[in-house]
Amino acid sequence: GAVVSQHPSRVICKSGTSVKIECRSLDFQATTMFWYRQFPKQSLMLMATSNEGSKATYEQGVEKDKFLINHASLTLSTLTVTSAHPEDSSFYICSAAPLSGTYGYTFGSGTRLTVV
Amino acid sequence: GENVEQHPSTLSVQEGDSAVIKCTYSDSASNYFPWYKQELGKGPQLIIDIRSNVGEKKDQRIAVTLNKTAKHFSLHITETQPEDSAVYFCAASTYLEAAGNKLTFGGGTRVLVKP
Repeated sequence: GAVVSQHPSRVICKSGTSVKIECRSLDFQATTMFWYRQFPKQSLMLMATSNEGSKATYEQGVEKDKFLINHASLTLSTLTVTSAHPEDSSFYICSAAPLSGTYGYTFGSGTRLTVV
Repeated sequence: GENVEQHPSTLSVQEGDSAVIKCTYSDSASNYFPWYKQELGKGPQLIIDIRSNVGEKKDQRIAVTLNKTAKHFSLHITETQPEDSAVYFCAASTYLEAAGNKLTFGGGTRVLVKP
């Protein structure tokens, strides 16, 4: 089946530094990947839609310069949290679906980011 | 845009009993409705989905029903087991082209199955 790998699973960084999170589709190609943020005991909030070979589409209220998204290939999208602050601490999750033949979106295992 | 509401927010059931979670959506153009199970510290896992041309779908102890006229869909879990304890999310999407459409999630239901 469709597998999405997300790394790292946990990361602790100091305020002011940048952190990169990778999302890979292992056994399929994905023109589009999605990045979500989830606060404790809350639902998933879509941050941006990552499009291979073009700029990401950000949801209203999401800072483009803070959350840099790059979708360099059909199997890899990255989210970089720049100049991280404690309020950026959250659970970040990516998802993707095969190019055709299915509606199903597979999610990565998530990345727990803690900014100290 | 689409708005998905999910009820209840928490659900406690005795092992062996059934659990039902209901969702309503606002966009009549939505035609794909997945359900996800999320365990603590993990990403959501697709457990079942239904498309708008089908009214019901079943997979072992899990079933989903869809009422397009009323714009609501429900998840039914029968013979619940302790391992069914998790947070469940419903979602809705409009399928326009392959894999390019974002999901709108409900608020989630925390299910606790008591042994």
